[in-house]
Amino acid sequence: QSVLAQPPSVSEAPRQRVTISCSGSSSNIGNNAVNWYQQLPEKAPKLLIYYDDLLSSGVSDRFSGSKSGTSASLAISGLQSEDEADYYCAAWDDSLNGYVFGTGTKVTVL
Amino acid sequence: QLQLQESGPGLVKPSETLPLNCTVSGGSVSSSSYYWGWIRQPPGKGLEWIGTIYYNGNTYYNPSLKSRLTISVDSSKNQFALKLSSVTAADTAVYYCATLHRTAVGGKVGSWFDPWGQGTLVTVSS
Repeated sequence: QSVLAQPPSVSEAPRQRVTISCSGSSSNIGNNAVNWYQQLPEKAPKLLIYYDDLLSSGVSDRFSGSKSGTSASLAISGLQSEDEADYYCAAWDDSLNGYVFGTGTKVTVL
Repeated sequence: QLQLQESGPGLVKPSETLPLNCTVSGGSVSSSSYYWGWIRQPPGKGLEWIGTIYYNGNTYYNPSLKSRLTISVDSSKNQFALKLSSVTAADTAVYYCATLHRTAVGGKVGSWFDPWGQGTLVTVSS
């Protein structure tokens, strides 16, 4: 029962740019920082972006995060085949007093 | 550098209790710097937060699981544990443990999981 909405899938050609949206509410994104995770096939999720727009250690600067109001976005520039994965946004939710994940977006490199 | 590793049975019978442990290396579960959490992912589906514990025993549970869930810390083994009772097939999932970081700077509150364990598949079946 994810409370953060993401598009199920996005696709783009290599070297292009894609953006993934994440829509929430005042109790989560509107009042807490957003994080983004990458999950490669059959692997554990890995932190990409934390605190809205900070790049996790070792992550390529082709990834960037932003937030406005109750929505957030993850951008991937210079798309590469190795970026094919599922991406999840997440944040603490004050009403739930717990952590919520987005519905997930599958990125396909054409 | 923190590393986490899940352990537990791969198969649990319906109505029984699912027990999992997470062993922490490179840091202490008694540290006030971190929280410790469990997340699960049913086959082919998205991530679901299960619950989180702080070193002092304070717990935060997903309301949908709260009545069946216990998360605890064992400092002597540098582990934290999950117990989920009365399981059904709907509890079949890959279970991950992870370190939760929480910070607040200038009124901006952030919480993020890093690192994660590799995950362990638990199947509920008779």
